Amino acid sequence: DAMVIQNPRYQVTQFGKPVTLSCSQTLNHNVMYWYQQKSSQAPKLLFHYYDKDFNNEADTPDNFQSRRPNTSFCFLDIRSPGLGDAAMYLCATSREGGSFYEQYFGPGTRLTVT
Amino acid sequence: AQTVTQSQPEMSVQEAETVTLSCTYDTSESDYYLFWYKQPPSRQMILVIRQEAYKQQNATENRFSVNFQKAAKSFSLKISDSQLGDAAMYFCAYRSAGGYQKVTFGTGTKLQVIP
Repeated sequence: DAMVIQNPRYQVTQFGKPVTLSCSQTLNHNVMYWYQQKSSQAPKLLFHYYDKDFNNEADTPDNFQSRRPNTSFCFLDIRSPGLGDAAMYLCATSREGGSFYEQYFGPGTRLTVT
Repeated sequence: AQTVTQSQPEMSVQEAETVTLSCTYDTSESDYYLFWYKQPPSRQMILVIRQEAYKQQNATENRFSVNFQKAAKSFSLKISDSQLGDAAMYFCAYRSAGGYQKVTFGTGTKLQVIP
């Protein structure tokens, strides 16, 4: 089945220790998103890639970076995690140019910062 | 900027009963898309139902239906014959039409289904 896969599902890192979360998709969608979600709040968009074009939200901290080496993969790098970065990180995809534009979400990576 | 408001942080429903989740939005646009997403505990978010603003007919998907009131900027979700598996966070979402546009999510409604 076509899907959005996130690894790992759970990640524990130490304060200030860089961490990378990964996302892959088999949907061949041209847009990939990273969201941060805390405590059953609404997902907060961090950035997205439209094909190879990177789009950063204005309020995304500089601590967060992203890479998309190819259509299928996208990475979220947190350079120096703080306690406030503990959250669920959701990857999503969509097909722009299609009919409905809904987003397809991965299961998320729960990040704990100790 | 568009805003999406879900005024019910939590709702509960008896199994097999019907429940309606509210959503209102603010926009000056005439063409857009509306969505309801479901996020079960510890599971991924999935699309429940979608509505194109230019369509007057309310969308339905099996036990899920919407009441789309464009003039009132209201987009409520009705779940009929509620099942235990319907227990989840439900997010209402808005997206402008016309080229790429990001999605604006509401704050969510946590639905509890009572056996």
